[in-house]
Amino acid sequence: SQQGEEDPQALSIQEGENATMNCSYKTSINNLQWYRQNSGRGLVHLILIRSNEREKHSGRLRVTLDTSKKSSSLLITASRAADTASYFCGISQGGSEKLVFGKGMKLTVNP
Amino acid sequence: DAGVIQSPRHEVTEMGQEVTLRCKPISGHNSLFWYRQTMMRGLELLIYFNNNVPIDDSGMPEDRFSAKMPNASFSTLKIQPSEPRDSAVYFCASSFPTSRGNTGELFFGEGSRLTVL
Repeated sequence: SQQGEEDPQALSIQEGENATMNCSYKTSINNLQWYRQNSGRGLVHLILIRSNEREKHSGRLRVTLDTSKKSSSLLITASRAADTASYFCGISQGGSEKLVFGKGMKLTVNP
Repeated sequence: DAGVIQSPRHEVTEMGQEVTLRCKPISGHNSLFWYRQTMMRGLELLIYFNNNVPIDDSGMPEDRFSAKMPNASFSTLKIQPSEPRDSAVYFCASSFPTSRGNTGELFFGEGSRLTVL
């Protein structure tokens, strides 16, 4: 499978703590994107990191990419109850425009 | 901006019936994607279009599934005949033009939840 695989599959933390999610993939990529999905809603784009980038920040989000290990991490700092959602990594590969997703990771932030 | 619009939001039908799901992408976007989401299989890419032309339909489960994009502002995903295992949430997404196949950000609709009895 070319899709990214998120790890862990579920994570429960307390408000204020940091949450780290990992994504592994199998072949070379153009870019890797993280999305969030609230229950019953569509996916919403969070952040994109290109294959030649190693780290990006956006607000409380920090994404790293290690192409040698074929993995990426999404860090959410100072989590809030509103961060409770499922998170997906999407892989863009080769000359294709398609984005392939993993099964997602469910984050629960307890108030 | 209305975003990607999908209809219907919910559909309950009986096995053997034809199902048509509809999608209106964001104006100016030239790529359109259909995904299916289930608990067991996660989010699967079924087919995607670029400039109204189907580029990759390798994810379409079988001949019962078909998708069309007659113009830049409308796409349909049809299942005929439907089966209980087709029950899932179907998402449409669109994106801006990109260069050299480099996928940009996808904008998703709210999905169509299909239940086949």
